[in-house]
Amino acid sequence: RKEVEQDPGPFNVPEGATVAFNCTYSNSASQSFFWYRQDCRKEPKLLMSVYSSGNEDGRFTAQLNRASQYISLLIRDSKLSDSATYLCVGYSSASKIIFGSGTRLSIRP
Amino acid sequence: DVKVTQSSRYLVKRTGEKVFLECVQDMDHENMFWYRQDPGLGLRLIYFSYDVKMKEKGDIPEGYSVSREKKERFSLILESASTNQTSMYLCASSPRPGQRNSPLHFGNGTRLTVT
Repeated sequence: RKEVEQDPGPFNVPEGATVAFNCTYSNSASQSFFWYRQDCRKEPKLLMSVYSSGNEDGRFTAQLNRASQYISLLIRDSKLSDSATYLCVGYSSASKIIFGSGTRLSIRP
Repeated sequence: DVKVTQSSRYLVKRTGEKVFLECVQDMDHENMFWYRQDPGLGLRLIYFSYDVKMKEKGDIPEGYSVSREKKERFSLILESASTNQTSMYLCASSPRPGQRNSPLHFGNGTRLTVT
């Protein structure tokens, strides 16, 4: 079993829709979590950190559920420009930064 | 804004050549990383360094070595390039990974083709 697992998608949703991804992790020692966004043939870029209390940045909401060992990303009112691959990342130490394989999101007009 | 610069965007090398990939960061970060990214396999850690002249193997170090002589620069070396090292190589840096506000910052990647 992979340490960080994501549904690879693709998720194909209409503009304006709300879409949610989950990411499960198996290492309970993981301390910090992040969501990254990666456009085609580009480097990953930090989207947001994930806190147990939940955090929101505009249309994006991230949540961490330590009891069930998953993190989530919710995108409201999706835009065409949200089309990308979304990577979840778990850290337990400097040598233990685990990336999920990514979830592809495609927003259609 | 953190800037991580990789020396080449695209490289084409021949089998058996020695290849150097350079990475420089301008934020005085302690930690630097080299990943490769392949379709279906995601990001895999090759090596990382938490201080000058310090290095640790990641998940797939075979066929690679690294050098960190200065804090801002982390080089990845392919001693004898092989076709299975054709990949996208991503350098990253972070002040203190694992802390809430210390995510990785990536360079824009080097797409290496070994023929």
